[in-house]
Amino acid sequence: DAGVIQSPRHEVTEMGQEVTLRCKPISGHDYLFWYRQTMMRGLELLIYFNNNVPIDDSGMPEDRFSAKMPNASFSTLKIQPSEPRDSAVYFCASKGTNYNEQFFGPGTRLTVL
Amino acid sequence: SQQGEEDPQALSIQEGENATMNCSYKTSINNLQWYRQNSGRGLVHLILIRSNEREKHSGRLRVTLDTSKKSSSLLITASRAADTASYFCATLNSGYSTLTFGKGTMLLVSP
Repeated sequence: DAGVIQSPRHEVTEMGQEVTLRCKPISGHDYLFWYRQTMMRGLELLIYFNNNVPIDDSGMPEDRFSAKMPNASFSTLKIQPSEPRDSAVYFCASKGTNYNEQFFGPGTRLTVL
Repeated sequence: SQQGEEDPQALSIQEGENATMNCSYKTSINNLQWYRQNSGRGLVHLILIRSNEREKHSGRLRVTLDTSKKSSSLLITASRAADTASYFCATLNSGYSTLTFGKGTMLLVSP
């Protein structure tokens, strides 16, 4: 099993540009979580999906952020337009219904100049 | 919001020593989990303790839970340089499906 896959691993962009982060969860997992990690705020849950349906997006900081899960094996987190304060490491994690453990991807380090 | 709060924020020890990290939380929980994060990597699940358990062991890891004090501790015995990482506690709150993570303890184990 390849684990949770995220791409790109690193992204450097300029303020105002659109950024799309991608995630492939572990096959068979029906929960998918997007987190953001910064030194100041730690690890924050942005949004999570269950069976491809967004359940709670209360952690999404503002309308510039959007997330989709068109099928069980793919999810995107989009920031449009990006701002320097969006610079962080973004993690995707997945888990199965009857399990408590979350499996994290390697993260995408986003730098907005 | 960050429910789990780890203590200390940073810990530096020598190989072979034991490392103890503490976590406090605020609301009722279903379970509490500990994760490790190596530099530049994602988090990895270490151990889970349920609200009706008081102690759990896994290899060199020992976790305790005191629900009356809303606190947990993670003990790593006979530490190794490879244990150098950040350690996070995460709570699964009663009635919810999501974890709330603390800000972590950075552990440095020197050879």
